[in-house]
Parts: sequence; structure tokens; C-alpha cells
Amino acid sequence: DAKTTQPPSMDCAEGRAANLPCNHSTISGNEYVYWYRQIHSQGPQYIIHGLKNNETNEMASLIITEDRKSSTLILPHATLRDTAVYYCIVRERYNFNKFYFGSGTKLNVKP
Amino acid sequence: EAGVTQFPSHSVIEKGQTVTLRCDPISGHDNLYWYRRVMGKEIKFLLHFVKESKQDESGMPNNRFLAERTGGTYSTLKVQPAELEDSGVYFCASSQEAGQGVGNEKLFFGSGTQLSVL
Repeated sequence: DAKTTQPPSMDCAEGRAANLPCNHSTISGNEYVYWYRQIHSQGPQYIIHGLKNNETNEMASLIITEDRKSSTLILPHATLRDTAVYYCIVRERYNFNKFYFGSGTKLNVKP
Repeated sequence: EAGVTQFPSHSVIEKGQTVTLRCDPISGHDNLYWYRRVMGKEIKFLLHFVKESKQDESGMPNNRFLAERTGGTYSTLKVQPAELEDSGVYFCASSQEAGQGVGNEKLFFGSGTQLSVL
């Protein structure tokens, strides 16, 4: 069921930008890209989502390539509290019952 | 505003026993979802309620699992009888009805119930 591919882990220095890549080469035109994260022992937390255009909110930026086959989540100034597993998820637009969580990327923010 | 709450946070039972998990969605959210992560696996969809109706239960693993949402408010997920492979974390999520149903809304997750079947 997994429709995304992410690196299993990444390191980032505190205060630097964290760029988390995601491949979704089979994405179709009616599927959104969502990013969630899971901090240890908590439930998944919404970060951002988009369809075609780049998106930015108070937490992060989402850059989607023009062909929509990949995207990058950017945390502009990572802090130690951003250490978590980050999930890139595609979601059907008109059959949106399910999120397909992949394995995610474990982001380690180091001092 | 209260988030999605789940009870209990942890449950330890013996194989063959029955366990009931409860989820209280965010007030006013019509959509309620159950997900779970079993040991070493990915988070998987179980089912989806719209108000009190089951919209999609294709992810339910077998008939030992029964989900209800009477009155369209809180939901329960019962496992009877529990087996060892049911151990894992069970998450509940909710979202507002998006009207046109374009899949654009956010899901808000609870902290989950850690179920251990011994």
C-alpha cells in the first residue's frame, strides 16, 4: 500500500534547516501530499499538505516538484524538539478515507 | 479546544480476554478513523466512520474486531478474543466533514492506546 519512499534516517544540526525528501513517483493528479510527524509516544501530528503548489505555514514549507513525483519538507530552523519520525503521505482526493503511512524518516536534531 | 482523546493509554491483557478501547473525537468532527501500528510494522488504516455510519472498514483485520460509534460521538473498538498479534498502538483520528469531500482536510490524531496481549 505504501506509495512513498523516504530515507530511513537523517541528521540535522540544531538551528539549521532540515530538508526531508520524499519520492512519490506513482502519484496521480487527484492525490494530495501530506506530512505528519510522530514524536516519541505521541500520536501523529499534522505539519502541512499540498496538491501542486508549494506551501508554507508556521511549522514548515513544502516544496513539490513540477512533475509532482517528489517533494521536500523544510523545517527552516530545526530545534531539538523537532526530533521525530516524519511521514510523507499521499491521499486520494475523492476516495480519501485512508492515509498510507510509509516507514517515515527518523530526523535526529543534534546540538 | 480539546483534542482527540483516547482511553486507556495503556492496556495489558491476557490472550483470550476482551478489551475495549475508547476514542472521543474533537467536538463537531463528523469523521472518525481508527489506525494501528503493530510491532515493527507501519501505521495502518482500520476503518472510517462518518457520523455513526461505517464508511469504510476494509482495514479491519478480522471479525474479532468490532468498532461502534453510537450517536455519532465517541467510538469504541472492541477486540474479542484478543490474540498475541493484536499487540500494538491503536490510534484514533478525527476530522471535520469537508463538504465536497475533496480530501483536503486535516486529520487530528490522539495519543493512542498501547495494547499488550500476553
